[in-house]
Amino acid sequence: EAGVAQSPRYKIIEKRQSVAFWCNPISGHATLYWYQQILGQGPKLLIQFQNNGVVDDSQLPKDRFSAERLKGVDSTLKIQPAKLEDSAVYLCASSLDDGAGDNEQFFGPGTRLTVL
Amino acid sequence: AQTVTQSQPEMSVQEAETVTLSCTYDTSESDYYLFWYKQPPSRQMILVIRQEAYKQQNATENRFSVNFQKAAKSFSLKISDSQLGDAAMYFCAYRRGYANAGGTSYGKLTFGQGTILTVHP
Repeated sequence: EAGVAQSPRYKIIEKRQSVAFWCNPISGHATLYWYQQILGQGPKLLIQFQNNGVVDDSQLPKDRFSAERLKGVDSTLKIQPAKLEDSAVYLCASSLDDGAGDNEQFFGPGTRLTVL
Repeated sequence: AQTVTQSQPEMSVQEAETVTLSCTYDTSESDYYLFWYKQPPSRQMILVIRQEAYKQQNATENRFSVNFQKAAKSFSLKISDSQLGDAAMYFCAYRRGYANAGGTSYGKLTFGQGTILTVHP
């Protein structure tokens, strides 16, 4: 079974530029999560999708971050414009959520963003 | 809001020895899950072990076991017979249960700050 795919693995941009990250969850997984992991800290949820609807985006800085999950499968996370403090690893995760209560999250390899 | 605290930024252990990583959490909910994740330098977050709050028995997965003290809100991870491949960042995480979340928003994980584990040969 293929895991969660993310691209790119690394990205370096100048502040005020725009950047986009892509995530392809495990096939059939209903729920998709984007986490931000700043160096030396634990991941923090940015946004959670259930199929193509947003469940939780309370920690997403909506003035500069946006995310979408078209057709309930792939997702993109965009930052526009980027700030120095956005330098972090962006992790995508997915879970089955089959209604049986077991929704183990499977993580992708992450995208390391450096904002100069 | 739930919080997870890992008070050990770094730990080290000799190969084949046992090490315990500490985690405390704060919640007012009765239905929740606790997890330990391993994150090697490759950044891939891997689930090590999980514990359902309603289960009194401590979870065990091969060389990994937990000491779940619900009243004390403590959830430590014990790694026995440590191997070089165990070296990584370890995160403790909390997830509210379905009964407390009102349906669809119970998947979110709240992570601690992490503990870097070094294994010496």
